[in-house]
Amino acid sequence: AQSVTQLGSHVSVSEGALVLLRCNYSSSVPPYLFWYVQYPNQGLQLLLKYTSAATLVKGINGFEAEFKKSETSFHLTKPSAHMSDAAEYFCAVSESTMNRDDKIIFGKGTRLHILP
Amino acid sequence: EPEVTQTPSHQVTQMGQEVILRCVPISNHLYFYWYRQILGQKVEFLVSFYNNEISEKSEIFDDQFSVERPDGSNFTLKIRSTKLEDSAMYFCASSERLSGNTIYFGEGSWLTVV
Repeated sequence: AQSVTQLGSHVSVSEGALVLLRCNYSSSVPPYLFWYVQYPNQGLQLLLKYTSAATLVKGINGFEAEFKKSETSFHLTKPSAHMSDAAEYFCAVSESTMNRDDKIIFGKGTRLHILP
Repeated sequence: EPEVTQTPSHQVTQMGQEVILRCVPISNHLYFYWYRQILGQKVEFLVSFYNNEISEKSEIFDDQFSVERPDGSNFTLKIRSTKLEDSAMYFCASSERLSGNTIYFGEGSWLTVV
């Protein structure tokens, strides 16, 4: 069964600094991978997704993630953090089959804190 | 932009009462989901629904829970005889098709059982 592991339940970075949120996945077949963001008191918003095309995926708000099969990783990065990036970030995986049970599985989330 | 809408945004209910959470998925989507997020914990899959039947359900989704698509637009989650531990944010989601297609989430319904 597929799963994702997010390293670090809390990450703090200074405004303007690099953001790096780590995600490793486990999947028996080539995965589809996602990053969702949850701002305080709001729902889940898709940041970006990997679906076996380019390994470097660009998303909204300046975020990007790189799929590395050899490392089973899909880390999320942003060159320069902004105060508005403070939120909970969830890595998620689904298996790339035509199985009708193709749900996505979320990691435990990483709360990103931006320091002024 | 089309979006998944959920009602109510917040409901407080007494233990033992029945609750129905409502969702209107994106109109051309065929696959529907409910997820749950207990405060401070990760988002957990509850159930997926396609072609008017449950496709898959997690171990959380026991006989206390049921889902229904009573008409062409609504998708509901019913929780019978609520327990304190059912207090959580419940997210409805929908997608157009399988195989990595984006799943769009609603804003969530916050259920508080007292």
